[in-house]
Amino acid sequence: GENVEQHPSTLSVQEGDSAVIKCTYSDSASNYFPWYKQELGKRPQLIIDIRSNVGEKKDQRIAVTLNKTAKHFSLHITETQPEDSAVYFCAANKAAGNKLTFGGGTRVLVKP
Amino acid sequence: SAVISQKPSRDICQRGTSLTIQCQVDSQVTMMFWYRQQPGQSLTLIATANQGSEATYESGFVIDKFPISRPNLTFSTLTVSNMSPEDSSIYLCSVEGWGTDTQYFGPGTRLTVL
Repeated sequence: GENVEQHPSTLSVQEGDSAVIKCTYSDSASNYFPWYKQELGKRPQLIIDIRSNVGEKKDQRIAVTLNKTAKHFSLHITETQPEDSAVYFCAANKAAGNKLTFGGGTRVLVKP
Repeated sequence: SAVISQKPSRDICQRGTSLTIQCQVDSQVTMMFWYRQQPGQSLTLIATANQGSEATYESGFVIDKFPISRPNLTFSTLTVSNMSPEDSSIYLCSVEGWGTDTQYFGPGTRLTVL
């Protein structure tokens, strides 16, 4: 089945710097890759997603890139702010279907 | 996106008992899923709740332990049966709307088993 690995598990950055989180997936049939942000005690919130027919997608300070050949995708946060501190999860769908497999999560701390 | 609610938001239960968690959506959705998030861990899919038929369980999860109902397109329940302390987790439902593969999560149910 699908396996999604996420790195790093923790990331500490200075406010204003960039943060990058990387994920790899195993199922070459996967074609949908969402990213979720989970603040302490809250539900996971979708922040951006990308489909396999595009290589990059941006939404203000957040961007996601996808390399289908290498089977990896990355989240880029620029000009980080303290409110970006949270746990971020990547995910990939299994066999181009509805079910999602999640990465292990990255705890991001933005230091003021 | 749809408004998703879960009841209860949290509960503390004794081992050997069962708890039923409800997930309600304010609009009809095609897919509903149940996830478990153990303390400090990622999300693991338990099962897909199928409307009008038996749920589809992922490897490692069985119907006897986690019976699921989905009587219509806006509501589902997950029961955690014969609980042990290892069942202490957050249980989340998620939904997928018509014509989209985007999943949105409910607020979760924090379960503690003593």
